[in-house]
Amino acid sequence: DTGVSQNPRHKITKRGQNVTFRCDPISEHNRLYWYRQTLGQGPEFLTYFQNEAQLEKSRLLSDRFSAERPKGSFSTLEIQRTEQGDSAMYLCASSSWASGSHSSYNEQFFGPGTRLTVL
Amino acid sequence: GDSVTQMEGPVTLSEEAFLTINCTYTATGYPSLFWYVQYPGEGLQLLLKATKADDKGSNKGFEATYRKETTSFHLEKGSVQVSDSAVYFCALGDDKIIFGKGTRLHILP
Repeated sequence: DTGVSQNPRHKITKRGQNVTFRCDPISEHNRLYWYRQTLGQGPEFLTYFQNEAQLEKSRLLSDRFSAERPKGSFSTLEIQRTEQGDSAMYLCASSSWASGSHSSYNEQFFGPGTRLTVL
Repeated sequence: GDSVTQMEGPVTLSEEAFLTINCTYTATGYPSLFWYVQYPGEGLQLLLKATKADDKGSNKGFEATYRKETTSFHLEKGSVQVSDSAVYFCALGDDKIIFGKGTRLHILP
């Protein structure tokens, strides 16, 4: 299967603990996105990378959140000192973007998500 | 900032009924518009898209037209099936995507 993969699929942790999620994008995709989806809501943008560069961060991404994409391939999202309000589904998506493209649109392919529960 | 508003659910229909899920947007410029679908227990999938005004996106019998004048992108299907039961998200964007809150659709046999 060559889709976007995320690990772990589920994570239960106690408040105050640190957690790290991993996303493996589609291999030839240079852009990688993180979103968060809470129950009954649509996904909300957190941050995105083009290769290893982090190009944009949402205000939702507090200082306790950090994302990396060290070699421009997989990405990790770490949450420090988790709070109950961090409980959500964390979604990763990837896309292929080329400079000079006529269209700014680049389809994002989503992974299955990591469901975080903070007790 | 940019935003998407879609009709609240749940929407319950009988099989073979006509479906409309309303979606309106606010945006600076003319971003691409999308409908995503999330089937029970599955990840988010792109259902259809339209990248410029008057474009019609279509897939699996669903259609939506990019209406600049009314800033709308309503989702329609002529005859729904039980297998269409899912949560549908209207969205916009060309980099980060902004999603609506989702509309849960139940189709009864």
